[in-house]
Amino acid sequence: QSVLTQPPSVSGAPGQRVTISCTGSRSNIGAGYDVHWYQQLPGTAPKLLIYGNINRPSGVPDRFSGSKSGTSASLAITGLQAEDEADYYCQSYDSSLSAVFGPGTKVTVL
Amino acid sequence: EVQLVESGGGLVQPGGSLRLSCVGSGFTFSSYWMSWVRRAPGKGLEWVANIKLDGSETKYVDSVKGRFTISRDNAENSLYLQMNSLRAEDTAVYYCARDRRSWHPNPYAMAVWGQGTTVTVSS
Repeated sequence: QSVLTQPPSVSGAPGQRVTISCTGSRSNIGAGYDVHWYQQLPGTAPKLLIYGNINRPSGVPDRFSGSKSGTSASLAITGLQAEDEADYYCQSYDSSLSAVFGPGTKVTVL
Repeated sequence: EVQLVESGGGLVQPGGSLRLSCVGSGFTFSSYWMSWVRRAPGKGLEWVANIKLDGSETKYVDSVKGRFTISRDNAENSLYLQMNSLRAEDTAVYYCARDRRSWHPNPYAMAVWGQGTTVTVSS
């Protein structure tokens, strides 16, 4: 049972916008710890997509954006493309600086 | 090129032991927090453990405390995970990951990942 909550799946047609929520508590996200997002394509290692709530590493398309408010965070994908079909995970820390991941959200491109 | 390469996975019986290794290259290994993260079949990512730059601090997920030990050898640019008393539920692909920030007192985002090594616990 993850301490962060994500929807199991979201879907959208090519070109559409989808969002993935990540809900935590006052023990993690709400305590001020940053949220990071990872993309895992089938059969590959995870890849850092968003760090520090809103920042994109070099090479990540600006179609991906993050936000954070209170005890929650969100990842938005605009202009959905077929290659975006993957599992997406949010991650933060708790007060003991133990990392916590969300359960993951499968994005399907219709 | 910044790279992490894991090794040491395999098939082990319940109650057995295994030691995973991860070698880093292309960056100053001793400057970063390092982590182990796993993904069990049909499940999501689970953080397992992390270790501070000089090895002075380690943290573990509750399910592996007392059974797993994370360590590092900065002279060899290597990270290790000693896994004892293995259980079926430890079956997973294990990834090592490097932090994004260097020379920082706290862990942050996991910016560099290895390709993973598979651990199967079964009789």
